[in-house]
Amino acid sequence: KAGVTQTPRYLIKTRGQQVTLSCSPISGHRSVSWYQQTPGQGLQFLFEYFSETQRNKGNFPGRFSGRQFSNSRSEMNVSTLELGDSALYLCASSSGTFVTEAFFGQGTRLTVV
Amino acid sequence: EDKVVQSPLSLVVHEGDTVTLNCSYEVTNFRSLLWYKQEKKAPTFLFMLTSSGIEKKSGRLSSILDKKELSSILNITATQTGDSAIYLCAVLSYGGSQGNLIFGKGTKLSVKP
Repeated sequence: KAGVTQTPRYLIKTRGQQVTLSCSPISGHRSVSWYQQTPGQGLQFLFEYFSETQRNKGNFPGRFSGRQFSNSRSEMNVSTLELGDSALYLCASSSGTFVTEAFFGQGTRLTVV
Repeated sequence: EDKVVQSPLSLVVHEGDTVTLNCSYEVTNFRSLLWYKQEKKAPTFLFMLTSSGIEKKSGRLSSILDKKELSSILNITATQTGDSAIYLCAVLSYGGSQGNLIFGKGTKLSVKP
């Protein structure tokens, strides 16, 4: 079955702009989580959505937001971009049942200039 | 604050060597520990460990969890150049309803021919 699909793969934005990233989970998976990966901080959890509801959130400012649609596809939005937002954004899908592994997409490389 | 620490941060070995990667954690509401391999972008799932003392094995890779010591090791025997990657350890914790993955900074493994 198809894996996790993230679009776009690369983005270049200027400071102050906003950006929307998309993630389509594995078919049948209802949980989508978003992570930010930078060389200095490693992988950091942003938020998790399950059945269109955000059920967990990491320690990121309110400029980072997300949503999930009824088909489990998720979008992540970052407003008022800062240079420090340059990172690889990864999304992971899981079935959402009790304890389960997460499968990652290829990521979106965001560069803020 | 929950944290996951991996050691060493980087490692250079020659083909055929055996390596042991370490992961220790301080996490409330521990549920499971996961290992991922990241070569380019998408971390790929290796193992999920929930029970202490039970070894998970896949080919030349194996891993074991020690809940008493709050740690896990990932062993790779007869290393090959294709094993060169960043190995990520993550702990699934429960905050709210489902939880999120808390990642270590990773161990960068380089296997020389």
